[in-house]
Amino acid sequence: SQQGEEDPQALSIQEGENATMNCSYKTSINNLQWYRQNSGRGLVHLILIRSNEREKHSGRLRVTLDTSKKSSSLLITASRAADTASYFCATDGSGNTPLVFGKGTRLSVIA
Amino acid sequence: DAGVIQSPRHEVTEMGQEVTLRCKPISGHNSLFWYRQTMMRGLELLIYFNNNVPIDDSGMPEDRFSAKMPNASFSTLKIQPSEPRDSAVYFCASSLTQGGNTIYFGEGSWLTVV
Repeated sequence: SQQGEEDPQALSIQEGENATMNCSYKTSINNLQWYRQNSGRGLVHLILIRSNEREKHSGRLRVTLDTSKKSSSLLITASRAADTASYFCATDGSGNTPLVFGKGTRLSVIA
Repeated sequence: DAGVIQSPRHEVTEMGQEVTLRCKPISGHNSLFWYRQTMMRGLELLIYFNNNVPIDDSGMPEDRFSAKMPNASFSTLKIQPSEPRDSAVYFCASSLTQGGNTIYFGEGSWLTVV
């Protein structure tokens, strides 16, 4: 069964706007990761946030984690057309288990 | 670093034929994963290996699917016989260890069974 569920399923914004994607999960985790997938390509790791962290930044990416609500958000600021892709959250559970991915959010950034 | 290498990138085969997908993980990575991606079901973990040993194959959909890892630099996923519902993108990925580390994906093998 899938651990993470992203919301919304699809998001369309204008270039320069911010894009926010959310992820909810069900069980305790050690960390949560966000990945990006361009059309026809494999997934690429973006950022990892540990369960004892609340916020993390990487360039134009900002990730928050609320373990009490079992949710995370990914914010992409000042979006560009090149940010068009699907974005997935992945969780590892509290044991030494492999990552389980959600179904992703399809982001379209219109120039 | 060449990353995770998968072959073939695209395959079209007839129902009933055997399909073999190949993967070379990143050197030094101890864990290897096979995922399947479809529109309906998203990204599903089929099986994973630690130090070449299969750890959990509960995601393998049927006995028609099998996977091997004869050495640290090579793995195969075999479907025999193939069916149209097996059409999907199959990803191989590797990481340093199985739990919670960054996973590095290959570009995928796009399988169409007609």
